[in-house]
Amino acid sequence: AQKITQTQPGMFVQEKEAVTLDCTYDTSDPSYGLFWYKQPSSGEMIFLIYQGSYDQQNATEGRYSLNFQKARKSANLVISASQLGDSAMYFCAIKDLNQAGTALIFGKGTTLSVSS
Amino acid sequence: DTEVTQTPKHLVMGMTNKKSLKCEQHMGHRAMYWYKQKAKKPPELMFVYSYEKLSINESVPSRFSPECPNSSLLNLHLHALQPEDSALYLCASSQDREGNQPQHFGDGTRLSIL
Repeated sequence: AQKITQTQPGMFVQEKEAVTLDCTYDTSDPSYGLFWYKQPSSGEMIFLIYQGSYDQQNATEGRYSLNFQKARKSANLVISASQLGDSAMYFCAIKDLNQAGTALIFGKGTTLSVSS
Repeated sequence: DTEVTQTPKHLVMGMTNKKSLKCEQHMGHRAMYWYKQKAKKPPELMFVYSYEKLSINESVPSRFSPECPNSSLLNLHLHALQPEDSALYLCASSQDREGNQPQHFGDGTRLSIL
């Protein structure tokens, strides 16, 4: 079975600072994908970034980067130069890429608060 | 604006009412999903449709009835709901059920059961 652990219920950061949101995972599948989503208070889940288990390089998307450490089974999200609009709940999720029909497994989430 | 459109955005209904939630996407995605999310919790998968056929039902009570009339539309029919069914209901779609393509979510419907 797959599992995602996000140990930080809440994180606080000032504008323009970088912040790291932790995510560790557990899976026995050799081929898997890791996803990060942002959910503002309005409710929509916004896809941020993806990392495949066989990807050699860490994924980056604008101000978002993923610090993927496969041996440690961690996939931390790094947000550079935080903005007030980054305040939201962030979910890490894992998906088995080998089996049909498997769903996204989400962690409990981390609430990020950015202050001016 | 998201590319997955959900209506209505808010719904208040009594326990004896029948209502439907609607979800539409025009990205050509062949997999569509319903999730239930309680406040400050992660989304919980309810149903998965792949090529308009139900492929996963996560032991959801029969008072929730999904329907996929065509590849762009996904409905969730509600009947005789309980107060504990009050939640945010999220629809998502992806290119297909397998693979590494991300799921794209709608804004959700906030459902309150009186």
